[in-house]
Amino acid sequence: GQSLEQPSEVTAVEGAIVQINCTYQTSGFYGLSWYQQHDGGAPTFLSYNGLDGLEETGRFSSFLSRSDSYGYLLLQELQMKDSASYFCAVRDWQSGGSYIPTFGRGTSLIVHP
Amino acid sequence: DTEVTQTPKHLVMGMTNKKSLKCEQHMGHRAMYWYKQKAKKPPELMFVYSYEKLSINESVPSRFSPECPNSSLLNLHLHALQPEDSALYLCASRHGTGYSYEQYFGPGTRLTVT
Repeated sequence: GQSLEQPSEVTAVEGAIVQINCTYQTSGFYGLSWYQQHDGGAPTFLSYNGLDGLEETGRFSSFLSRSDSYGYLLLQELQMKDSASYFCAVRDWQSGGSYIPTFGRGTSLIVHP
Repeated sequence: DTEVTQTPKHLVMGMTNKKSLKCEQHMGHRAMYWYKQKAKKPPELMFVYSYEKLSINESVPSRFSPECPNSSLLNLHLHALQPEDSALYLCASRHGTGYSYEQYFGPGTRLTVT
């Protein structure tokens, strides 16, 4: 089976930098994704790491260390609109090659003015 | 067009009703998913269709019945639901090739079972 651990809540102020960590245990690991979900909204894809290292997309960056089974999402220049839940998701393969993501429990990010 | 649409947005149904949720995408994606999400919880996988064939059923009760009429459409038929089935039902799609990893989610249907 798979398991993912991420903090339940993180708070920060506008303009700051925040890091949301995700550790995982899984077999057949292929990559780690991050999704953002605002209250009442749908999850939105943010980033994917299939290889070790840092991926940067604007204010958001994501990092993966496969040897440590660890990744993080880094949000810079925080804005109030970044207040949302953030889910890490491990990519795994079921028999037949279906892509089955397993989601972490989510981190609620609260940005204060 | 990078949109997944879902109808209806909200649905209230009694335990004896039969209703259907609809999901549509026109991105040419060949993998489609149904998820159930309770408040403050992650999406919980229910079904996966790959190339219009049901490939994964995560031990979902038979009162939920998925259907994939064609490559753009996904339905979820509901019958004799229980109040604990009240949740946000999300549809998602993915390109379907081995190296595609991004799932596109629809806005969801907020279901209330009375």
